[in-house]
Amino acid sequence: GEDVEQSLFLSVREGDSSVINCTYTDSSSTYLYWYKQEPGAGLQLLTYIFSNMDMKQDQRLTVLLNKKDKHLSLRIADTQTGDSAIYFCAESIPGNKLVFGAGTILRVKS
Amino acid sequence: DAGVIQSPRHEVTEMGQEVTLRCKPISGHNSLFWYRQTMMRGLELLIYFNNNVPIDDSGMPEDRFSAKMPNASFSTLKIQPSEPRDSAVYFCASSAQGLYGYTFGSGTRLTVV
Repeated sequence: GEDVEQSLFLSVREGDSSVINCTYTDSSSTYLYWYKQEPGAGLQLLTYIFSNMDMKQDQRLTVLLNKKDKHLSLRIADTQTGDSAIYFCAESIPGNKLVFGAGTILRVKS
Repeated sequence: DAGVIQSPRHEVTEMGQEVTLRCKPISGHNSLFWYRQTMMRGLELLIYFNNNVPIDDSGMPEDRFSAKMPNASFSTLKIQPSEPRDSAVYFCASSAQGLYGYTFGSGTRLTVV
């Protein structure tokens, strides 16, 4: 079945780059997503990438997709304390459904 | 648009009581999803609807859980009777075919004592 895996925790210093990694299983996924969840809030769509793209950049965010290895990463440049949150990777599957990973807790130390 | 609206934000109830969680999706979105989030199990899809019709309820943990979507602008998730292990944050999300990703509500934090 479909599965999305992420590392559970990442700690970086303010100003450094953060890289959060994700692997997925469904090779037919059309879109892959990154969501951010701040404490006490719902999941907020950060960015997405279409499966025929290798890279997408959006301000401080860079998404890299290796479709052969089914590997997705999210790079946050110049990480700020406000970036501390849980980051979820998700893959689209037929039926307009998303399969989410368990989330990566990003802790930014000032 | 006000986004996906969930109520209540917090609910504390005693074991055995009935609990009803409410969701108003974004106008024009034709898919609605109920998720449960706990520390132990992460984010679990409970049930989802397309055009008000339940499509997949395989994630509903037990018969104590039921969900309805009587019209395109309203859905409920009911737990009867509630148990302490049902304590979690319950999220509703909606999406439209052809648009990207889901929009999540702020969640209902349920505590069953």
